[in-house]
Amino acid sequence: QQQVRQSPQSLTVWEGETAILNCSYEDSTFNYFPWYQQFPGEGPALLISIRSVSDKKEDGRFTIFFNKREKKLSLHITDSQPGDSATYFCAASDQGGRALIFGTGTTVSVSP
Amino acid sequence: EAAVTQSPRNKVTVTGGNVTLSCRQTNSHNYMYWYRQDTGHGLRLIHYSYGAGNLQIGDVPDGYKATRTTQEDFFLLLELASPSQTSLYFCASSDAEGYEQYFGPGTRLTVL
Repeated sequence: QQQVRQSPQSLTVWEGETAILNCSYEDSTFNYFPWYQQFPGEGPALLISIRSVSDKKEDGRFTIFFNKREKKLSLHITDSQPGDSATYFCAASDQGGRALIFGTGTTVSVSP
Repeated sequence: EAAVTQSPRNKVTVTGGNVTLSCRQTNSHNYMYWYRQDTGHGLRLIHYSYGAGNLQIGDVPDGYKATRTTQEDFFLLLELASPSQTSLYFCASSDAEGYEQYFGPGTRLTVL
């Protein structure tokens, strides 16, 4: 059973548009949600993260929106650039004895 | 300077072969992880460790052994490799369980 789900599987946007990546989870004890960015040929790298006490976290053009009641979160990439083309993983943890649980990823392509 | 390194970067072996993947981290982290990444499945945890001599079972451990010899070094062993183990393998480290993980560049393993 997939505890962390992501949608869509892939997404294509034009340069300058906003890309919206969705993530949902099952376990209400999860309280830490990092997003990782992975370029081809590289390992994933932490992009931005949020804790369940917050409903929004912003870092430049990347923003996480978090809805604890619905167990959903989304990553918004505003003013998308071709260099943002990558696979993005949502992950979750309760930071109390379990390793991070990763979603299956969303591959974003930004066309110039 | 890369804090998590993996070797080899690419490996080809035959069914039934013996393979050892190596990982070294210089982050002084307690936790180290082995993942496999396959299209449609995202990152799946094989084994992890919270210190030298310790081993914890992950979500997809069948066919894999692992050993943590020092705080820096974590090895993944495939003693009878099968084609189903053809995958991209990542090592990661973190300061604590469920917290931010730092990934290596990956090892692409092909089992013929």
